[in-house]
Amino acid sequence: QKEVEQNSGPLSVPEGAIASLNCTYSDRGSQSFFWYRQYSGKSPELIMSIYSNGDKEDGRFTAQLNKASQYVSLLIRDSQPSDSATYLCAVKIGGSYIPTFGRGTSLIVHP
Amino acid sequence: SAVISQKPSRDICQRGTSLTIQCQVDSQVTMMFWYRQQPGQSLTLIATANQGSEATYESGFVIDKFPISRPNLTFSTLTVSNMSPEDSSIYLCSVVTTSTDTQYFGPGTRLTVL
Repeated sequence: QKEVEQNSGPLSVPEGAIASLNCTYSDRGSQSFFWYRQYSGKSPELIMSIYSNGDKEDGRFTAQLNKASQYVSLLIRDSQPSDSATYLCAVKIGGSYIPTFGRGTSLIVHP
Repeated sequence: SAVISQKPSRDICQRGTSLTIQCQVDSQVTMMFWYRQQPGQSLTLIATANQGSEATYESGFVIDKFPISRPNLTFSTLTVSNMSPEDSSIYLCSVVTTSTDTQYFGPGTRLTVL
């Protein structure tokens, strides 16, 4: 049973702070990792993908992957109220087109 | 990336009726999927739409209830049959593009069944 676990939150951070979102997964064969952002009433939007251990930075977003510990995280620097959304972690094992999604973490950035 | 459109964007339907949702992609894609997302919940995969053959359904979903067509590489339909209030949900079309293994989502269809 492939599982992807996320704290449902809500995670509340003040504007300008770093928001840290975490995700753990159970299948050691997992090779592709994705973070999606979903605003209320909208569909998921891809933010980041990461495939190798370490950090990957894109603007204010940094994805961190540690395959040995089976976790992937998303850091949002200088958080803005517009970052308030649900963040979904998705994990794919090698050779599969279908990722397993976590239940998402709700992030609230308050002014 | 892929640009995905869905029709209708929302609908309110009566119990016992059926609704067909259309999904159109602007480029040829490897895979097309249909998801359901109930209020406050994460994504649940209904089925993989296969071009020219029967869809592959996930556990708990059956063809009689959710018939799916995919006549070509850029178009698919999902029908929600004999609807009940429990079918009220957002239905999302999703694709994996030919050139990447990245999954993109359409804008969704918000269905309310009375």
